[in-house]
Amino acid sequence: GENVEQHPSTLSVQEGDSAVIKCTYSDSASNYFPWYKQELGKRPQLIIDIRSNVGEKKDQRIAVTLNKTAKHFSLHITETQPEDSAVYFCAASNNNFNKFYFGSGTKLNVKP
Amino acid sequence: NAGVTQTPKFQVLKTGQSMTLQCAQDMNHNSMYWYRQDPGMGLRLIYYSASEGTTDKGEVPNGYNVSRLNKREFSLRLESAAPSQTSVYFCASSERQGDGELFFGEGSRLTVL
Repeated sequence: GENVEQHPSTLSVQEGDSAVIKCTYSDSASNYFPWYKQELGKRPQLIIDIRSNVGEKKDQRIAVTLNKTAKHFSLHITETQPEDSAVYFCAASNNNFNKFYFGSGTKLNVKP
Repeated sequence: NAGVTQTPKFQVLKTGQSMTLQCAQDMNHNSMYWYRQDPGMGLRLIYYSASEGTTDKGEVPNGYNVSRLNKREFSLRLESAAPSQTSVYFCASSERQGDGELFFGEGSRLTVL
């Protein structure tokens, strides 16, 4: 099955700095890569996703890049704000198998 | 529009007791999932249901059973709870099989003593 690894497990940045979270996957058949944000005590919510036919996608201060050859994808948050503090999860799926595999999460702390 | 609703939100069990976590979605989604979340281990798939009438094992199915009662409801049962099942459980649904946004419930925190 798929194995998704996520780094780092914790990340602390100063407000206004950029944050980068990286994930690797093992199954070359995976074709959909979402990112979820989970605030303390809340449910995970989708913030951005990318499909395997696209190399980069941007939505305001967040962007995701995908390198299919190397089997890795990254989340980039620019101009971080305290409200960006949360746990971020990457995931990979193959719509032939109806399974989403999640990384172990990155706890981002944005210091004011 | 409630989205995904799961109950109970909190439960304490003794080892060997049984319980059922209930989940319902009102978005007419075909696919439903049960995940458990443990510190440092992300979200691990327990069982999923691609459509009404079908269920399949995920990464960590041992000790659990599921029922897809109808298109809206997908329940998770612990027949004989063990301390290793202490976790936060999330139900989720998606419109398309293995694709598109996962909508999560609020989570159920289960403690097994």
